[in-house]
Amino acid sequence: DGGITQSPKYLFRKEGQNVTLSCEQNLNHDAMYWYRQDPGQGLRLIYYSQIVNDFQKGDIAEGYSVSREKKESFPLTVTSAQKNPTAFYLCASSKSRGGEITEAFFGQGTRLTVV
Amino acid sequence: EDQVTQSPEALRLQEGESSSLNCSYTVSGLRGLFWYRQDPGKGPEFLFTLYSAGEEKEKERLKATLTKKESFLHITAPKPEDSATYLCAVRSSGSARQLTFGSGTQLTVLP
Repeated sequence: DGGITQSPKYLFRKEGQNVTLSCEQNLNHDAMYWYRQDPGQGLRLIYYSQIVNDFQKGDIAEGYSVSREKKESFPLTVTSAQKNPTAFYLCASSKSRGGEITEAFFGQGTRLTVV
Repeated sequence: EDQVTQSPEALRLQEGESSSLNCSYTVSGLRGLFWYRQDPGKGPEFLFTLYSAGEEKEKERLKATLTKKESFLHITAPKPEDSATYLCAVRSSGSARQLTFGSGTQLTVLP
């Protein structure tokens, strides 16, 4: 089945530790995204990538980093510089037509908790 | 800057009681409005895309409509399994490569 796979589903991070969230898609989509969701709030864009080896900061990129070495993969690293990392992280992908994206499809999310 | 506002924040309905959710938007040239359903602890599930005022899309008990300033998600004779958070998002000509989301409407349908 085609889709987006995020792992792990739950992740616990100690203070001062970097952690990496995995996102893989087999939909052959060009564009990939990372969103953060906090209780009672909408999805906020962290980073996005339209093509391999290229990515742009979203609205809340501070304390996060990404890479896009393969079309299928877009890992997100939550660094120790992110002061409030506890949240639900969602990865998405979409087709890109003429520079504009179509509807985005989401993975099942990773819940990150700082302990 | 694109803005999306959803109302109400929460809605409780009796099974069979039809209602509508609202998504109002302010964008620099709408290039698409998207509706998603999200169950607790899961990723959003795509429902509809609307592109121009007057357009309508239907799926089972859900019907989405679009005007120049807002979109409605009409739920006809809802069932308890329709309980979820419904998210609205827009893509604009000023931000054609990303979606801007509203904060959602949490719908509860009581049996």
